[in-house]
Amino acid sequence: EIVMTQSPATLSVSPGERATLSCRASQSLSSNLAWYQQKPGQSPRLLIYGTSTRVTGIPARFSGGGSETDFTLTISSLQSEDFAVYYCQQYDNWPTFGQGTKVEIK
Amino acid sequence: QVQLVESGGGVVQPGRSLRLSCAASGFTFSYYAMHWVRQAPGKGLEWVAIISYDGSNEYYADSVKGRFTISRDNSKNTLYLQVNSLRAEDTAVYYCAKDGGPYSRENYGDYWGQGTLVTVSS
Repeated sequence: EIVMTQSPATLSVSPGERATLSCRASQSLSSNLAWYQQKPGQSPRLLIYGTSTRVTGIPARFSGGGSETDFTLTISSLQSEDFAVYYCQQYDNWPTFGQGTKVEIK
Repeated sequence: QVQLVESGGGVVQPGRSLRLSCAASGFTFSYYAMHWVRQAPGKGLEWVAIISYDGSNEYYADSVKGRFTISRDNSKNTLYLQVNSLRAEDTAVYYCAKDGGPYSRENYGDYWGQGTLVTVSS
C-alpha cells in the first residue's frame, strides 16, 4: 500500500494570502494524484486530478503540481469559502488518502 | 445534474449485517465504475470497495475483504454494499462516489453522495 503523508496538519492563513499544501508518497507515482476539499458536515469535493487538472467549475486560484513522490496544492489567494480540510489521494494502485491538512483562518 | 443518494445506515450490534444502497441519477450509471469510501467520526478517508462499470470486477480494502460485498444493478441505477460481521471499527460515514472516467477505472471520485452513517455498538 502506498502511504500518503500530508503537511502541515494545520495551516493558519489570513484571507487573501497564499497557501501551499504538501503531499508526499511513500513511493514514486505517475501523475495519478487527486486533491479534495471537505467542509464540516459535507462530503469531499474533487478539486484536482491527474496532479494538475482542475475540475470544471473549480476557481483558477487552485492549482496542483509535483511529480514522483512530492506534490503540492496551492491556493493563490485564500477566500473565506476555502477554509476547510484538504486531502490528497493517489490512484496509481489501491487508492489511499493522506491524513488531511486543515486550512484555518489566522 | 449528477446525484448520488445513500441510504441503509443505522445502529447495529457487532457481528450483525446491513445493506447500504446508493441511488444514482444524472449520468449514465452503467458506463462508470463506482466506489464506496468511508470516514470514521473525526477521522480521515478510507477507500473501501470498487466495482467495475459492468459489475464484472470487484476490489476491496484488506480491512473489509471477506466481510463486505459491493454490487450494482445497472437496470435500477443503484450501487450496493453488503456489510457483514460488523465490528466497532467499521463505525463510519459511508460515501458512494462515481468514478472519474467512463468504462475505465480511474479510481478517483468526481462526484460523491452525502453519506450514510453506520454505527456499530452493543
